[in-house]
Amino acid sequence: GDSVTQMEGPVTLSEEAFLTINCTYTATGYPSLFWYVQYPGEGLQLLLKATKADDKGSNKGFEATYRKETTSFHLEKGSVQVSDSAVYFCALIPSGGYNKLIFGAGTRLAVHP
Amino acid sequence: DAGVTQSPTHLIKTRGQQVTLRCSPISGHKSVSWYQQVLGQGPQFIFQYYEKEERGRGNFPDRFSARQFPNYSSELNVNALLLGDSALYLCASSPTGNQPQHFGDGTRLSIL
Repeated sequence: GDSVTQMEGPVTLSEEAFLTINCTYTATGYPSLFWYVQYPGEGLQLLLKATKADDKGSNKGFEATYRKETTSFHLEKGSVQVSDSAVYFCALIPSGGYNKLIFGAGTRLAVHP
Repeated sequence: DAGVTQSPTHLIKTRGQQVTLRCSPISGHKSVSWYQQVLGQGPQFIFQYYEKEERGRGNFPDRFSARQFPNYSSELNVNALLLGDSALYLCASSPTGNQPQHFGDGTRLSIL
């Protein structure tokens, strides 16, 4: 079945470091891909999305490119801030189906001053 | 504009009891979905409702049920609670069934 695999955390970085969180997926056809972020004690917020191959989603300095050939959607940011500390979830919606999000296990990011 | 609101925020129950969780979608959103997030894991899909009809169901037992009302709010019911039902229950809404979902802050359910 459809699934999402994320790199295990926690990822610990110093402020202004470069961030990469790896995400790969298994799905038939062309799923839509998403990154959600969850701050402590809160629900999930949509960070960015991409709906077709080679699309680049971007928001708040984060970006991810839909790579069909490698079935990947890695999250990157050039310079992280302490306020970026959170859990990041990669997710997909299968193609041709209803709006059911399938999530990865999440990657915790801790940014230190 | 108000986001997705869920009530209650926290709930403590004992094994065998029943619980009802409530969700109010963003104004104008007609689709509501429910997810279960066990500590340390990603959310798992439970149900989706659109225009008061069930559009999808995840791999959960029949103890879990839901409904959507004419004002598009929704309730999730869980019967015969088990310790393993302890989790954060998230509600998400979207304008239709095929657009990005907006999540509430969840209801944290603890089973003793």
